[in-house]
Amino acid sequence: GAVVSQHPSRVICKSGTSVKIECRSLDFQATTMFWYRQFPKKSLMLMATSNEGSKATYEQGVEKDKFLINHASLTLSTLTVTSAHPEDSSFYICSARDPGWETQYFGPGTRLLVL
Amino acid sequence: RKEVEQDPGPFNVPEGATVAFNCTYSNSASQSFFWYRQDCRKEPKLLMSVYSSGNEDGRFTAQLNRASQYISLLIRDSKLSDSATYLCVVRPESWGKLQFGAGTQVVVTP
Repeated sequence: GAVVSQHPSRVICKSGTSVKIECRSLDFQATTMFWYRQFPKKSLMLMATSNEGSKATYEQGVEKDKFLINHASLTLSTLTVTSAHPEDSSFYICSARDPGWETQYFGPGTRLLVL
Repeated sequence: RKEVEQDPGPFNVPEGATVAFNCTYSNSASQSFFWYRQDCRKEPKLLMSVYSSGNEDGRFTAQLNRASQYISLLIRDSKLSDSATYLCVVRPESWGKLQFGAGTQVVVTP
């Protein structure tokens, strides 16, 4: 089946540093990718929709200057958490939509811990 | 009111038993419905889509009730490996954004 990879799987960083997370669709070209954040025992919250070749669409309350998204190719989207703070610690999950099937496949997630 | 609501559980189920749970959604015009499974500290994985007429996939049966705006999932002959959090997911419009419930935890015990 379709596979979406995400890297790194976990990262620990100091407060104030920036962290880049990569999301790749391995089996199909994804014109649209999504970035979610999930806190413990909570539902996935959509942060932004990433469209290849254009600016990302951010959900209300998500700071676009803090969470930089780049979707430079049909198989790669990146999320950069800039100047990370402890409250940014969370499980970040990307998702890619298979255009032929309207199905979204999720990456394995990145667990971010900001000290 | 949340867009997608689920009973968080946990539902403690003896191995071999049947368990069922529902999910309600607020947008009556919603187009597509899914059940995803999420294991602890892992990403969600598609379990099954939910069709208007109801559908079955092995031990799993999903139903949609548009009039009452809920979907259900029934698991028969529960296995220990069925222990997970089951996420109800709704897409309000074709090719639109997915809306996630917070999940229902199922714990299958020996």
